[in-house]
Amino acid sequence: GNSVTQMEGPVTLSEEAFLTINCTYTATGYPSLFWYVQYPGEGLQLLLKATKADDKGSNKGFEATYRKETTSFHLEKGSVQVSDSAVYFCALRDNYGQNFVFGPGTRLSVLP
Amino acid sequence: KAGVTQTPRYLIKTRGQQVTLSCSPISGHRSVSWYQQTPGQGLQFLFEYFSETQRNKGNFPGRFSGRQFSNSRSEMNVSTLELGDSALYLCASSLRGVVAGELFFGEGSRLTVL
Repeated sequence: GNSVTQMEGPVTLSEEAFLTINCTYTATGYPSLFWYVQYPGEGLQLLLKATKADDKGSNKGFEATYRKETTSFHLEKGSVQVSDSAVYFCALRDNYGQNFVFGPGTRLSVLP
Repeated sequence: KAGVTQTPRYLIKTRGQQVTLSCSPISGHRSVSWYQQTPGQGLQFLFEYFSETQRNKGNFPGRFSGRQFSNSRSEMNVSTLELGDSALYLCASSLRGVVAGELFFGEGSRLTVL
């Protein structure tokens, strides 16, 4: 079946540090890939997405590139802020009619 | 426009009781899906409704059920509650369904079973 693996953290960084959260997936066909973010006490919000190989999703300084050869979709940001503290979920949607599959989430804490 | 609204936000029940959670999707969205979020299992798909029909179902026991009304509002019900049902239940709506569209999540209903 489809699955998503991501580093579980927690990840603790100082403000302005470089962020990488690894995400790899297993899926049949050509899934669409997503990063969602969950701030404390809130639901999940879509951060960025990519629907085909080599696509790069970007939003709010975050980027992730769909790498089919390594089945990865790593999230990066060049300079994190305290306000980026949240839980980040990597997810895939199998375009053959399956539902969304989410990774376990990675908690990020950014210290001032 | 208004986002996905879930009620109640917090509730406490005892084992053996039942609970009903409500979700109002974004106006115009016809798909509503439900997820259970726990620290140990992460986000797990419960079911999806589209135009009042259940289109997809996750691997949960029959104690978990749902329905969708003609106005796209959805409810999920859990009967004979167990301690392990304590979780954050998230509802997500989508314009065209889970297969084709993006998910927009509500803030969740946090259920505690004592």
